[in-house]
Amino acid sequence: DAGVIQSPRHEVTEMGQEVTLRCKPISGHNSLFWYRQTMMRGLELLIYFNNNVPIDDSGMPEDRFSAKMPNASFSTLKIQPSEPRDSAVYFCASRGLAGVGTQYFGPGTRLTVL
Amino acid sequence: DQQVKQNSPSLSVQEGRISILNCDYTNSMFDYFLWYKKYPAEGPTFLISISSIKDKNEDGRFTVFLNKSAKHLSLHIVPSQPGDSAVYFCAASELNRDDKIIFGKGTRLHILP
Repeated sequence: DAGVIQSPRHEVTEMGQEVTLRCKPISGHNSLFWYRQTMMRGLELLIYFNNNVPIDDSGMPEDRFSAKMPNASFSTLKIQPSEPRDSAVYFCASRGLAGVGTQYFGPGTRLTVL
Repeated sequence: DQQVKQNSPSLSVQEGRISILNCDYTNSMFDYFLWYKKYPAEGPTFLISISSIKDKNEDGRFTVFLNKSAKHLSLHIVPSQPGDSAVYFCAASELNRDDKIIFGKGTRLHILP
């Protein structure tokens, strides 16, 4: 099993540019989560999907952030326009039907907005 | 407002000794608690969990203790090994809301040789 795959692993961009982060969950998992990790706020949930449907996006910081899951094997998190305060590590995680403890995280995308 | 608090950003422990990582929470609706471990450049991995109906759960060298009245839990690692050096996240979820896990900011554990 390849695990959760995220791309790119590192992204450096300039303020105002659009950024798209990508995630491929573990095959067969029906829930997908996007998290952001910063020094100030730690690891916070941005949005999650069940069966490709967004369930809770209350953690999305503002309208500049959007997430989609067009099918069971792919999700994107988009920031447009990006700002320096968006610099963080963004994690994607997926979960099967086995229970709450079994969220499997990808390696993360380190985003730097200059 | 942090619902899950890990007040020690870092902890150093001698190899072979016991490591104790602490976590406090404020939300009385939390009924399931987890610990995740994270190495640099990797995502967090699930380590151990405990339901609010229990006060202790053990898995090998790892034991989690829950004190509901104090809204406090702790992770004990005995004996500590060099591979235990990592960041440990405490996390919690509410009854019937197990999709939404609230994480603490993490404690960096250094195991000294």
